[in-house]
Amino acid sequence: EAQVTQNPRYLITVTGKKLTVTCSQNMNHEYMSWYRQDPGLGLRQIYYSMNVEVTDKGDVPEGYKVSRKEKRNFPLILESPSPNQTSLYFCASSTPGTQETQYFGPGTRLLVL
Amino acid sequence: RKEVEQDPGPFNVPEGATVAFNCTYSNSASQSFFWYRQDCRKEPKLLMSVYSSGNEDGRFTAQLNRASQYISLLIRDSKLSDSATYLCVVNGAGGSYIPTFGRGTSLIVHP
Repeated sequence: EAQVTQNPRYLITVTGKKLTVTCSQNMNHEYMSWYRQDPGLGLRQIYYSMNVEVTDKGDVPEGYKVSRKEKRNFPLILESPSPNQTSLYFCASSTPGTQETQYFGPGTRLLVL
Repeated sequence: RKEVEQDPGPFNVPEGATVAFNCTYSNSASQSFFWYRQDCRKEPKLLMSVYSSGNEDGRFTAQLNRASQYISLLIRDSKLSDSATYLCVVNGAGGSYIPTFGRGTSLIVHP
């Protein structure tokens, strides 16, 4: 089954404790991205990757890192989480091309205390 | 000006009603357009692409107006299960592949 998976689905952590949210897709997609969604603000792009070892900042990259060492995986790293990073995070993937649609993972709910 | 704008709503309609949403985009070079549906706190899923000639999928009709730079979504005979947030997505602005999402329009269909 074609899918995008994220782990963990739910996470409660404390300020400053490094964490990684994994994202994996089995569709051989080149393009992957991370979004955060907050009430009233919609989906905001954090980082995206056009292919292996090619990443770039989205609209709200501060406080986040990503890596793309393999095509299928695109982890999101919070080196020192802060309460303002409490949010719902979505990973998405697609093939490149303006006609292509995004496939989203199920989301990760993060609470930073 | 935000690149993709939507009225956040909520649109509160009775079952069986017809409801329409618009979405405006700022970059005239945008190449492709989509409507996604998002249920509460779940991932967005593609509802339909929007083609230049307009397209229909059952009770849903999507239209594109390039001259005025907006797309629309019409839902006929609303069902309770249509209650969701509808996201407008624009791809290919200025040659970039990166999709741009609107903030979404909330629809509530009541009995």
